[in-house]
Amino acid sequence: NAGVTQTPKFQVLKTGQSMTLQCAQDMNHNSMYWYRQDPGMGLRLIYYSASEGTTDKGEVPNGYNVSRLNKREFSLRLESAAPSQTSVYFCASSPRVALREQYFGPGTRLTVT
Amino acid sequence: GENVEQHPSTLSVQEGDSAVIKCTYSDSASNYFPWYKQELGKGPQLIIDIRSNVGEKKDQRIAVTLNKTAKHFSLHITETQPEDSAVYFCAASKSSNYKLTFGKGTLLTVNP
Repeated sequence: NAGVTQTPKFQVLKTGQSMTLQCAQDMNHNSMYWYRQDPGMGLRLIYYSASEGTTDKGEVPNGYNVSRLNKREFSLRLESAAPSQTSVYFCASSPRVALREQYFGPGTRLTVT
Repeated sequence: GENVEQHPSTLSVQEGDSAVIKCTYSDSASNYFPWYKQELGKGPQLIIDIRSNVGEKKDQRIAVTLNKTAKHFSLHITETQPEDSAVYFCAASKSSNYKLTFGKGTLLTVNP
C-alpha cells in the first residue's frame, strides 16, 4: 500500500494564481482531512470530509475550497493564492471519523510570491 | 474551542537518557490523545495514542500517561537513540466533533 499520496511535492505560485492540491489514499478509509503547517503553529485543520459526499470547515477554511471526488480522493483548491497561504499542506485519512486515528501524507510545500 | 499547550518547545538529551514531553488541554470533554512524530521533510506519523478510559499505555520504549483530573498527558521515551530525533506533536479530540487539536510541537534532539 502507498498509504496517503500527495501531488505536487513543491509548488511556487504568484499572488492571485489558482491551483489544486491532490490527495489520494489506498487504505479504504472513510474520512479525509487537509491541514496546513506553519512554523511555530503546529498543524491546523482547513477542511475535512467525514465520509464520501460530505465536507466540513475546520479551523482555518478561508481562502480554500475542497472536493471529495470519491472515497479515495480529496482535493484542496486555492482560487486566488495569497502570500499568507505560503505553508506546508498535509492530507490525512482515517478509517472512520469516530476512530480519530489519522494517517498523514508526505506534504506539499507551497510558496506564494 | 479546545486549546492544547505543549512543553518544552525544544529538548536535547544524551543518547540513552529518557525524554519527557508534556501537554495540557482545556476541554474536559476531550477523550482521545494521540502523539505524532515528524521527521524532517516528512508527514507526521502516529506513534502512540491513549483514550480517556486508561491512565497509561506502553509500546516498547514509548509510553503515554494521562491525568484526566489535571487535564494533562505526557509522552515518555526511554533509552533514547539518535533516530528518535524529530519533532513530536501531541493532540486532543472529543467524540462530539472528532477533530484533532494539535500542540505546537517539541523538537527533540538526541546527541550521540
